[in-house]
Amino acid sequence: QSVLTQPPSASGTPGQRVTVSCSGSNSNIGPNSVSWYQQLPETAPKLLIHSNNQRPSGVPDRFSGSKSGTSASLAISGLQSEDEADYYCAAWDGSLSGWVFGGGTKLTVL
Amino acid sequence: QVQLQESGPRLVKPSGTLSLTCTVSGGSISSSHWWSWVRQPPGKGLEWLGEIHPSGTTNYNASLKSRVSISMDKSKNQFSLNLNSVTAADTAVFYCARVDKLLGEYFFAYWGQGTLVTVSS
Repeated sequence: QSVLTQPPSASGTPGQRVTVSCSGSNSNIGPNSVSWYQQLPETAPKLLIHSNNQRPSGVPDRFSGSKSGTSASLAISGLQSEDEADYYCAAWDGSLSGWVFGGGTKLTVL
Repeated sequence: QVQLQESGPRLVKPSGTLSLTCTVSGGSISSSHWWSWVRQPPGKGLEWLGEIHPSGTTNYNASLKSRVSISMDKSKNQFSLNLNSVTAADTAVFYCARVDKLLGEYFFAYWGQGTLVTVSS
């Protein structure tokens, strides 16, 4: 059972917009920023969004992040086949004094 | 470009100690970053194990605190993970990562490619 809650799966067709949610609490997402990671099959996670809504250099602007209260969301617009991957959210948890991850969401492009 | 590379035994016996090293290139481990270990059991999600700062300060996952330790060798630009009393449940891909700080916010900016460690007799 992960501290941050994500839906196990999501799907969409090419060109669609999909969102992935990440629910936390007042000890993690509430006071701290959220980052998102993309994990393509058989590869290491890659930073996708940091500081709730900031894209690192090289990440397409199709990817965007937001945070409200104790929840965060990742949105992917103009869905492409290469977006098929697992997506994880993460935040620092002050009560646990450690990093916590969501359980991951497997995105399927139909 | 910062690169991280995990190394160590791929097979560890039950009740033994899992030891991995992360070698950092393209940057100094003495820079003001936190250096972390994250693992991923086959088919499952990511779990943070702990982190170390060049000052020597460490933070550990509370659920593993009694079994995990992280150290740093600045002369070799490496940091290491020790996980003792391992069982089959510790079988996982282990990643090392660098935590960056930007405008007061922290995130895992760089990851190693990961190494699969199997616990089995």
